Amino acid sequence: DGGITQSPKYLFRKEGQNVTLSCEQNLNHDAMYWYRQDPGQGLRLIYYSQIVNDFQKGDIAEGYSVSREKKESFPLTVTSAQKNPTAFYLCASTRPMNTEAFFGQGTRLTVV
Amino acid sequence: DQQVKQNSPSLSVQEGRISILNCDYTNSMFDYFLWYKKYPAEGPTFLISISSIKDKNEDGRFTVFLNKSAKHLSLHIVPSQPGDSAVYFCAARQAGGTSYGKLTFGQGTILTVHP
Repeated sequence: DGGITQSPKYLFRKEGQNVTLSCEQNLNHDAMYWYRQDPGQGLRLIYYSQIVNDFQKGDIAEGYSVSREKKESFPLTVTSAQKNPTAFYLCASTRPMNTEAFFGQGTRLTVV
Repeated sequence: DQQVKQNSPSLSVQEGRISILNCDYTNSMFDYFLWYKKYPAEGPTFLISISSIKDKNEDGRFTVFLNKSAKHLSLHIVPSQPGDSAVYFCAARQAGGTSYGKLTFGQGTILTVHP
């Protein structure tokens, strides 16, 4: 079955450490997105990529980095520069000119 | 700058009645609007969408209305069912410019449907 897979589902990180969240899709979608959700808040865009080897900053990119070396994969690295990394992270993808974004099940990151 | 706003954090309705969720936007570059439903600790699932060239789209119990002049859209659920209880997000896609393809979400509205 086609879909988006995020791993791990739960992740714990010590302060000062970088951590990478995985997002893989087998839907043959060109565009991929990373969002962050905090308790009681909406989805805020971190980074997005329309094609391989290209990506743009979203609204809250500081302290995060991404890569898009393969169409299927869009990993997100939460760096030590991100002051408030504890959140629920969601990855999504869409076809070109198609607006229905498919989401993964999310990764809950907790800094301990 | 919140370009997509859902000003009602929560909405409570009785089973069988209509639920109306509202969304306002400020960016005239948005050309497509979507509604998503989300349960806790899960990814959002797509519900219904509307192009900026239309003013209404219907799918079963769900209807989305778009008022371009007011930069306002709404989602109507009729009749509401307890299983509709979830967080509802509206989202908008940017058509052009340097942020082409960017999908921006509102803050969400928690809908509770009471039996």
